[in-house]
Amino acid sequence: EDQVTQSPEALRLQEGESSSLNCSYTVSGLRGLFWYRQDPGKGPEFLFTLYSAGEEKEKERLKATLTKKESFLHITAPKPEDSATYLCAVQGEYGNKLVFGAGTILRVKS
Amino acid sequence: EAQVTQNPRYLITVTGKKLTVTCSQNMNHEYMSWYRQDPGLGLRQIYYSMNVEVTDKGDVPEGYKVSRKEKRNFPLILESPSPNQTSLYFCASSFSNSPLHFGNGTRLTVT
Repeated sequence: EDQVTQSPEALRLQEGESSSLNCSYTVSGLRGLFWYRQDPGKGPEFLFTLYSAGEEKEKERLKATLTKKESFLHITAPKPEDSATYLCAVQGEYGNKLVFGAGTILRVKS
Repeated sequence: EAQVTQNPRYLITVTGKKLTVTCSQNMNHEYMSWYRQDPGLGLRQIYYSMNVEVTDKGDVPEGYKVSRKEKRNFPLILESPSPNQTSLYFCASSFSNSPLHFGNGTRLTVT
């Protein structure tokens, strides 16, 4: 059974204080690992897809990396507008669904 | 504007009263899916559809029904809602092997 565990559950940062969110996974035949951002009262918004170990992708202050067992979402010099819940999900070999982790709630204070 | 539209956004109902949550997408996506989101459990798939008239169960299908008679619409039906179906529901759609686009959610309370 595909599983995703995210840590920490919640993270408080000062503006400019860089950190990383972790996503550990077990999956049968990884077809893709996805990162989403979710703001209160909104649906998840797509950030990145990673397909194979060693792959990295960047967008503004965010950088996602992937190994065979986990993915990290690095946040460099965060701003208050980066506050959100970050969700990680995997798509296995059958490709019919995404299995999501419970998310990390990020709060960035100015 | 490309979007997934769910209605209603908020719904309070009583046990046993049938309800339907509508979902419509304007991106011509083949794949559509329903998820529920509960604290500490994340998003869990209820049902999905690979195309018109093709639907299948996800991880938590009990107590739900779906239909896909048109490509753009994928309604979620609760024939006899119970309090354990109180949750935040999301509809999503995509092309095959592309990221999911999510609606803004329907918060359902069953008393």
